[in-house]
Order: sequence, then structure tokens, then C-alpha cells
Amino acid sequence: DIQMTQSPSSVSASVGDRVTITCRASQGISSWLAWYQQKPGKAPKLLIYAASSLQSGVPSRFSGSGSGTDFTLTISSLQPEDFATYYCQQANSFPRTFGQGTRLEIK
Amino acid sequence: QLQLQESGPGLVKPSETLSLTCTVSGGSISSSSYYWGWIRQPPGKGLEWIGSIYYSGSTYYNPSLKSRVTISVDTSKNQFSLKLSSVTAADTAVYYCARHLRAAPRDAFDIWGQGTMVTVSS
Repeated sequence: DIQMTQSPSSVSASVGDRVTITCRASQGISSWLAWYQQKPGKAPKLLIYAASSLQSGVPSRFSGSGSGTDFTLTISSLQPEDFATYYCQQANSFPRTFGQGTRLEIK
Repeated sequence: QLQLQESGPGLVKPSETLSLTCTVSGGSISSSSYYWGWIRQPPGKGLEWIGSIYYSGSTYYNPSLKSRVTISVDTSKNQFSLKLSSVTAADTAVYYCARHLRAAPRDAFDIWGQGTMVTVSS
């Protein structure tokens, strides 16, 4: 199985800050990577697929980059509704696997 | 718009079989390019993919659960189902159904149900 490791596990930031979350795959996955946002008590929401493609309806302050084993999710200017937990997920092979999550908290 | 809704018992006894159904509305489960998946999340923990099925019945399962999991589809009812046998407390989780988009380069779980909490306890 491909292991996905996110860093940091949690981060505190303020409204308006720029935040970057990193995801590393245990082996190369080309650009087969998705990012999700999950708020408490809610289902995950797809933000990014194919490492850098923005899902329809997702604000442009979210962006993704990377290929191979190292990927990043960037939020350019944090909004109050962005405080949530973020997960990466590899789509290169089965079984599909997720990172452990990064909790984004208000400073 | 497409919606998914999980249904099934919220409490299952140890060693019994967990059974859940996901009803798809606002679209056809027989659409090409889409599989249909199950993902679970134990309380306070991360996400675990359980398996995915195509409308033809083709399946992919997580090897860690494969011996206990069966995912099936009923196109006439626009539903797909999950059965997990011999459950233990470790299977206590929120279970989500999701549409699994598989159309290169897009491959992701793009629409999710709200999730249903299943507790394994006697």
C-alpha cells in the first residue's frame, strides 16, 4: 500500500494568512493526488484533484501543486470558513489511501 | 443535483454483520466514468477507504478488509450496499458512501453522503 504522510499534523493561523500543507507519498504517484476539506460532523469535500486541478465551485484561494512524491495544498488568504481538517488521498493505485489529516485552527 | 444517502442500523453486535445501503438520487448509478465507494472514519480518526464498485459489479476492496467485505450494486433501485462481517469494536465508525470519479486525469471521491454512525457493541 502507498502511505501518505501529511505535515504538519496541526497548524494555527489567522484570517488573512497564507498556509501551506504538505503531503508526501511513500512512492511516486505522478499527479494522482486529491485534497479534501472536512469540517466537524460533516462529510469531506473535494477541493483539488490531479494534484493541481480545482474542483468546480471551490474558491480560487485554494491551490495544489506537486508531482511524484511531494505535494502541497496552499490557501492564499485564510477565511473564517477555512478552519477545518484537510486530507490528501492518492489515486495512483488500489487500495486508495489517505493522509492522517492536518487540522487548521484559528490562532 | 446528485445526492447520496446512507441507511442502515446504527448499532451492530460484535461478531455480526454490518449492512448499509447507499441510495443515489438525482442521477443514475449506471453512469460511465463513475465507481461508487465506501469510506469510513472511526471517531476522532482519519479516513479509510473500504472499497468501490462499478455499476457492472466490478469491485475493488481494501486488502485489510477484503476477507470481511462485500459491496454490491442494484441498478434497478439506484443503490449500492456494504456488508462487513464479523465486526468488532474496531469497526465502530462513521460510514460514508461516495461517488468515485474515475476519468483520467480526474480520480477522486467527488460527491459524498452525509455519513452514518455505526457502533459495534453488545
